[in-house]
Amino acid sequence: EAGVAQSPRYKIIEKRQSVAFWCNPISGHATLYWYQQILGQGPKLLIQFQNNGVVDDSQLPKDRFSAERLKGVDSTLKIQPAKLEDSAVYLCASSSQSVHKRSYEQYFGPGTRLTVT
Amino acid sequence: GENVEQHPSTLSVQEGDSAVIKCTYSDSASNYFPWYKQELGKRPQLIIDIRSNVGEKKDQRIAVTLNKTAKHFSLHITETQPEDSAVYFCAASLWSFQKLVFGTGTRLLVSP
Repeated sequence: EAGVAQSPRYKIIEKRQSVAFWCNPISGHATLYWYQQILGQGPKLLIQFQNNGVVDDSQLPKDRFSAERLKGVDSTLKIQPAKLEDSAVYLCASSSQSVHKRSYEQYFGPGTRLTVT
Repeated sequence: GENVEQHPSTLSVQEGDSAVIKCTYSDSASNYFPWYKQELGKRPQLIIDIRSNVGEKKDQRIAVTLNKTAKHFSLHITETQPEDSAVYFCAASLWSFQKLVFGTGTRLLVSP
């Protein structure tokens, strides 16, 4: 099966500018996650969708970050305005949440490396 | 909320030696513990996972052990090879499709 797709792969912006990231999960996967991975750290969940509904956005800085998953498939994560500390890799992951087959795994996309200058 | 600590932060071994990475978690309700391998510039990839109803799981050279009473779990890699060199992350969650809380990572270097 095709993996999780993300674009762009790299983005450089100046602080206070806005940026958007796109994710296409594995076909049929109901659950989609956005993680932020700062250099030298483990990924940290920003937001989790179940179909097109938000399950957990407790660690999403809502004053500047927003995300949507229209139609329960693709998702977009936006930052506006960006700060220097937003420099990180943004990872999208998906899972099928099926209890009938061995598919609990969260599959990660290649990530988008954001540099804010 | 859940907090996961991981040790050591770096681990250097000779090819053929064993490597052990340890993690502790804080939320006794957590019941799913995956391990991810991340090579430089690549995506994290699941290498093994364990659920709370199992104490140990093996997959060829890789094994994971879980002690729910002590709230810690470990990754064991035997007969290490240079291609095992990467950053390894442990994680914990309430259920496998809930958010993963990751440890800080262990950089494993296997020297030929």
